Amino acid sequence: RKEVEQDPGPFNVPEGATVAFNCTYSNSASQSFFWYRQDCRKEPKLLMSVYSSGNEDGRFTAQLNRASQYISLLIRDSKLSDSATYLCVVNYGGSYIPTFGRGTSLIVHP
Amino acid sequence: EAGVAQSPRYKIIEKRQSVAFWCNPISGHATLYWYQQILGQGPKLLIQFQNNGVVDDSQLPKDRFSAERLKGVDSTLKIQPAKLEDSAVYLCASSLEPIAYEQYFGPGTRLTVT
Repeated sequence: RKEVEQDPGPFNVPEGATVAFNCTYSNSASQSFFWYRQDCRKEPKLLMSVYSSGNEDGRFTAQLNRASQYISLLIRDSKLSDSATYLCVVNYGGSYIPTFGRGTSLIVHP
Repeated sequence: EAGVAQSPRYKIIEKRQSVAFWCNPISGHATLYWYQQILGQGPKLLIQFQNNGVVDDSQLPKDRFSAERLKGVDSTLKIQPAKLEDSAVYLCASSLEPIAYEQYFGPGTRLTVT
């Protein structure tokens, strides 16, 4: 089974900090990439898709590095409400079969 | 629009018993996924349906787990017999198409096997 690796953390940062997470994947033929956010005891929700050219949504920036086979998520000006687990997802093959990483836990403190 | 519905929300059973979970995806979504999420881990894909056909079930323990999607809409996931290690949250998700589209998750069913 193709692997998707994430540092589980937790990343413990103060409000206003900038924090970055990486996610590595093993299949060079991966088709599409996403970051999901999961709050404690809740279902995952899409945070953003990751495009080859990189993309930004407010305080969040996602990038893809196909040569090194990783995706990244940068959060600027962290808020208390950003505390959650961030899951990366890689879709493989012609049927876009998704594989989730184990998630990275972020704790933002006052 | 209504989200992905799942039932039951919680289930406690003894090992060797059977259990079934139900999922109703968002209307019009062709792709349906069942995941198992054990505490502290990411969701693990059990089975992916495209309409009522199986796209991938390589991680489904077929000696005890089964899933079906009749008429390409609702789906059920069954475990028979359950083991202690099946204790997890079972998440159902749907997407309009699998290709680079967002997955929408239901609230999950929390299963405890004692």
